[in-house]
Amino acid sequence: DGGITQSPKYLFRKEGQNVTLSCEQNLNHDAMYWYRQDPGQGLRLIYYSQIVNDFQKGDIAEGYSVSREKKESFPLTVTSAQKNPTAFYLCAARGTENEQYFGPGTRLTVT
Amino acid sequence: GEDVEQSLFLSVREGDSSVINCTYTDSSSTYLYWYKQEPGAGLQLLTYIFSNMDMKQDQRLTVLLNKKDKHLSLRIADTQTGDSAIYFCAESISGGNTPLVFGKGTRLSVIA
Repeated sequence: DGGITQSPKYLFRKEGQNVTLSCEQNLNHDAMYWYRQDPGQGLRLIYYSQIVNDFQKGDIAEGYSVSREKKESFPLTVTSAQKNPTAFYLCAARGTENEQYFGPGTRLTVT
Repeated sequence: GEDVEQSLFLSVREGDSSVINCTYTDSSSTYLYWYKQEPGAGLQLLTYIFSNMDMKQDQRLTVLLNKKDKHLSLRIADTQTGDSAIYFCAESISGGNTPLVFGKGTRLSVIA
């Protein structure tokens, strides 16, 4: 998956708890992205970051937060304000021709 | 606004060719991409084409771009059961700093 790691692969949480999903890249790319994928659905953009210490909301940012303190890392926090957090979360980094390289994903289940 | 459309399902017999189609709306697209997603996995970049090209071939994969009709296709020759997956088309809008726009994906089923 092109030098992007996401951990853990499966994550279980109780409703009302915040949870942080990890995304690390060793590709030296500036831009990174978080997407959510629901069963049988396409990708929806949550947040993206063009450069360290900067990030922008995507189409479904409500209930999520991010930080970008290092180029290699772009963690996503799913807060208790997110109404339907159970989903498959994908992280990506952008290459030199705007192509995106994806991590293996984290499946989050909240009960 | 930007939009990328794909048919949702395609079923082919093993050994036949598969053709997955995609249409997009933004005429300022610079690159167009094809990704493959296997169950429970991330998206794998298969190939991409610059918007001033009309064809790109890479082993069993052929990408055709009709810029006038804003139509992109991915042909997989000699389709195998391992090709069963969801295929996403995506476009990059000129400027490069905006996120890719993805289609909803085409689920390819290969029948042995």
